[in-house]
Amino acid sequence: KAGVTQTPRYLIKTRGQQVTLSCSPISGHRSVSWYQQTPGQGLQFLFEYFSETQRNKGNFPGRFSGRQFSNSRSEMNVSTLELGDSALYLCASSQADRTDQYFGAGTRLSVL
Amino acid sequence: KQEVTQIPAALSVPEGENLVLNCSFTDSAIYNLQWFRQDPGKGLTSLLLIQSSQREQTSGRLNASLDKSSGRSTLYIAASQPGDSATYLCAVINTGGFKTIFGAGTRLFVKA
Repeated sequence: KAGVTQTPRYLIKTRGQQVTLSCSPISGHRSVSWYQQTPGQGLQFLFEYFSETQRNKGNFPGRFSGRQFSNSRSEMNVSTLELGDSALYLCASSQADRTDQYFGAGTRLSVL
Repeated sequence: KQEVTQIPAALSVPEGENLVLNCSFTDSAIYNLQWFRQDPGKGLTSLLLIQSSQREQTSGRLNASLDKSSGRSTLYIAASQPGDSATYLCAVINTGGFKTIFGAGTRLFVKA
């Protein structure tokens, strides 16, 4: 059974650009959550999607958005990138009732 | 607002030692608590999940306990090995809002 797949693994962008990250959950998992990890703030919850609907949202500005497709794959978009957006972005999938979360390897975003 | 604290922030032990990692949370209205390990530059690996109605979970050399009333969880690692060296993260999901809140982690180093 394939795990959670995140693409790309690494990204380098410049300030002001936008970026889209992708996450493919484990087959059968309908919930996908996104997290930002930085040395200073640790792991912070961005949002969670379930059945193509955003079910929960963390305390991030509107520049951070996401969506989920009918096959449960999810994308996260960050517009107008800032230097502080440099981080490891992790995606996790779980079954409908918020049981075990399984994480992908992450996408490391560097904003120059 | 739920806050999750992990003590100690870092720990160095000789191989073979038994050790305890601590996690405390401020709001006892949790849905579940999950322990993860993270290797440098990698995603998170789920170790143990404890539902709010449970007191402990065991997997191999790992045992996690949960005391909701005191807002505490411990992760016990028996007979530590160099391969256990990693950052250990504790995460809680609240019943209200179902957001996942992570602690800052304990960085463990097991010396051969």
